[in-house]
Amino acid sequence: DQQVKQNSPSLSVQEGRISILNCDYTNSMFDYFLWYKKYPAEGPTFLISISSIKDKNEDGRFTVFLNKSAKHLSLHIVPSQPGDSAVYFCAAGGSQGNLIFGKGTKLSVKP
Amino acid sequence: DTAVSQTPKYLVTQMGNDKSIKCEQNLGHDTMYWYKQDSKKFLKIMFSYNNKELIINETVPNRFSPKSPDKAHLNLHINSLELGDSAVYFCASSQEGMQYGYTFGSGTRLTVV
Repeated sequence: DQQVKQNSPSLSVQEGRISILNCDYTNSMFDYFLWYKKYPAEGPTFLISISSIKDKNEDGRFTVFLNKSAKHLSLHIVPSQPGDSAVYFCAAGGSQGNLIFGKGTKLSVKP
Repeated sequence: DTAVSQTPKYLVTQMGNDKSIKCEQNLGHDTMYWYKQDSKKFLKIMFSYNNKELIINETVPNRFSPKSPDKAHLNLHINSLELGDSAVYFCASSQEGMQYGYTFGSGTRLTVV
């Protein structure tokens, strides 16, 4: 029973264009949503978060949008760079303070 | 200066053995976690400790036992290893406030043969 779903296992984007990574969730009680980036043989690295009471949070090239009615969030990366190529995990804050992760989307940014 | 460090990075062992993975954080965080990333790439929580006290204990075989000697350390002991235990295990820590996320270690790839 996946509470956090990333339905696209991979995404390929041209350098300089926008990357849009999507995430859906089922539990309306989540308080926070987060995006992590992971390179091979490394641990996930925190990118950006958004509270459930907001609909947008921006940090440099990264913007997260939250649509609570649709139980959907997305991460926009503009402009995309080759160094952004990694696996991106969506996560949601559970009731016990733990994070529940999606399966990840592998982003490839082509030069 | 690594914030969350795990040792060893790789661990290959035979079925039935007992092994430990160590984790240390120098961030002053009160809460530490163990996550497992299985072959399907899901990251699932196993345990969390807050200031040396067990907070979360998900449905994990009791062959897995966390030990927290102090709030900067959370070690994972695994007894009678099975083939299905092969995975990447990540340690993480966090400060209060979900908006700051967790800081993860680089992972320990455990292979049981």
